Amino acid sequence: DAKTTQPNSMESNEEEPVHLPCNHSTISGTDYIHWYRQLPSQGPEYVIHGLTSNVNNRMASLAIAEDRKSSTLILHRATLRDAAVYYCILKNQGGKLIFGQGTELSVKP
Amino acid sequence: EPEVTQTPSHQVTQMGQEVILRCVPISNHLYFYWYRQILGQKVEFLVSFYNNEISEKSEIFDDQFSVERPDGSNFTLKIRSTKLEDSAMYFCASSAWEVNTEAFFGQGTRLTVV
Repeated sequence: DAKTTQPNSMESNEEEPVHLPCNHSTISGTDYIHWYRQLPSQGPEYVIHGLTSNVNNRMASLAIAEDRKSSTLILHRATLRDAAVYYCILKNQGGKLIFGQGTELSVKP
Repeated sequence: EPEVTQTPSHQVTQMGQEVILRCVPISNHLYFYWYRQILGQKVEFLVSFYNNEISEKSEIFDDQFSVERPDGSNFTLKIRSTKLEDSAMYFCASSAWEVNTEAFFGQGTRLTVV
């Protein structure tokens, strides 16, 4: 499984945008980029995923570099409820998700 | 919104006892998974299940573990003889397809082996 690299932690202020980076330099052409998050004491929660083009949904936006070696999850307006660990995961064959350590996002009021 | 439900939310068991963790995946999903998370550690994949058989399993999923879909709605994880190191949160997940889709996770069962 191709590897991803994320910062261990990031801080944001409430109501400001947050950009969470992910590097995946060994990504293959058929790897989808998935983002999940885990709020304290809860199960992981799907955020967004994409292959080549940028994606938007009600939770976030995903910006994928042209060479696909990196991506950025964008939360447009962070709220206190967005404080969580965010995982960037590459998914190819098989349905399993391989979680790394993720980025712990804290949001200050 | 559809959700994956897990029962019980917390299970305490004695070492050496068998436990069964239960999950009700989303009704039209075809792929089912179990993950575990030891306190303070990352989420680890255990097993995936499709078309009534295991499609993939990790090294953690040894002979002490088994999964079953006994009817059209439940998906269970059995640990035959629990060890202290099996204490963890166990998450069930389901998805409609394999790759280009989201997985829905349950809230987890906290298993404590004493």
